[in-house]
Amino acid sequence: DAGVIQSPRHEVTEMGQEVTLRCKPISGHNSLFWYRQTMMRGLELLIYFNNNVPIDDSGMPEDRFSAKMPNASFSTLKIQPSEPRDSAVYFCASSLERVSLHFGNGTRLTVT
Amino acid sequence: QKEVEQDPGPLSVPEGAIVSLNCTYSNSAFQYFMWYRQYSRKGPELLMYTYSSGNKEDGRFTAQVDKSSKYISLFIRDSQPSDSATYLCAMPGSSASKIIFGSGTRLSIRP
Repeated sequence: DAGVIQSPRHEVTEMGQEVTLRCKPISGHNSLFWYRQTMMRGLELLIYFNNNVPIDDSGMPEDRFSAKMPNASFSTLKIQPSEPRDSAVYFCASSLERVSLHFGNGTRLTVT
Repeated sequence: QKEVEQDPGPLSVPEGAIVSLNCTYSNSAFQYFMWYRQYSRKGPELLMYTYSSGNKEDGRFTAQVDKSSKYISLFIRDSQPSDSATYLCAMPGSSASKIIFGSGTRLSIRP
């Protein structure tokens, strides 16, 4: 089992550009989460999918952020346009039961 | 008041010491409690979880829950340099989808 796979590992972009982060969850898991981690705010839930359907997106900071899960094996988180305050590590996690979240190794985003 | 409070540290102890990591929470409805470990530049991984008050042991790790005080602890016995990581407590939040994480305590074990 390869675990949760995220790409890219690092992304450096200029303010105003579109950023797309990708996630492949563990096969068979029916829940997928996108988190953002910063020193100031810790680990924050952005959006939660269950069976490919967005259930709770109350953590998405603003309309610049959007997430999709077109099928059980792929999800994207898009930021358009990006801003310097979006700089953070973005994690994708999947689970079969909520107790045990399996995290990817994250995408470190820097917006200059 | 945050729902989950955790001292960010950093905490530095010598190898072999007993380590105590703690969290407090405000919502008495929380039913189960988790500890995640996060190595540098990696994602968090589940270390232990418990549904009830009392102690749960797994090797050198013991999770303790005191629901009356809304206080949870993680003890590490015979600490090793490989235990150096950030430890995050976690518990389900107010809605079914949310798991709330503490801010994490950075732990360093000195050889």
